[in-house]
Amino acid sequence: QLVLTQSPSASASLGASVKLTCSLSSGHTTYAIAWHQHQPGKGLRFLMKINSDGSPTKGDGIPERFLGSSSGAERYLTISSLQSGDEAAYYCQAWGTGLQVFGGGTQLTVL
Amino acid sequence: QVQLVESGGGMVQPGKSLRLSCAASGFTFRIHGMSWVRQAPGKGLEGVATLWYDGSNRYYADSVKGRFTISRDNSKNTLSLEMNSLRVDDTAVYFCARLKYNNYIDYWGQGTVVTVSP
Repeated sequence: QLVLTQSPSASASLGASVKLTCSLSSGHTTYAIAWHQHQPGKGLRFLMKINSDGSPTKGDGIPERFLGSSSGAERYLTISSLQSGDEAAYYCQAWGTGLQVFGGGTQLTVL
Repeated sequence: QVQLVESGGGMVQPGKSLRLSCAASGFTFRIHGMSWVRQAPGKGLEGVATLWYDGSNRYYADSVKGRFTISRDNSKNTLSLEMNSLRVDDTAVYFCARLKYNNYIDYWGQGTVVTVSP
């Protein structure tokens, strides 16, 4: 069964960088994933798709501060030069037997 | 630009039915798979149903199988979710989402609220 695991929370200071992790379950470690941002009151936004080799496909208008990468069963989202507007929940998403599967989300706090 | 606008949410009693709609514009609807995703209060995202671009394949979460039906009208650029035998735990914000290559979500709607309460 495809399962995505994320830490529930993360925090970093204004102007700093943060790296969020999405772990793929055993047997699914070569899967691509997508990252989505959910800002309070602003809806959901697709950030990028990350392949197992780390190659990204970014969404429209996503700043270069948002970078994706991959290592083994881990998929990463690194946000640099953190802004207060980056405070949001970040979800990873994969596609199993046709249905969308999501990680539990990471709530990012910008200090 | 791509727009997905949900409608049809509301408050209903357990056991009743509701039909959600998603009006799509700004892209060629008939070549994209589409999904419904929900978020219960205080919870994360859950994939509810997926329908391929040509309607050839439908997928449902176990929690809604047999109660919900996803459909599309490519002539009207509309995605629908028929929800029957609603339960209290179906209470959530329901999002319409566009799929890239029937795989990952690349655009989201703003959501419509469904509340199931006695």
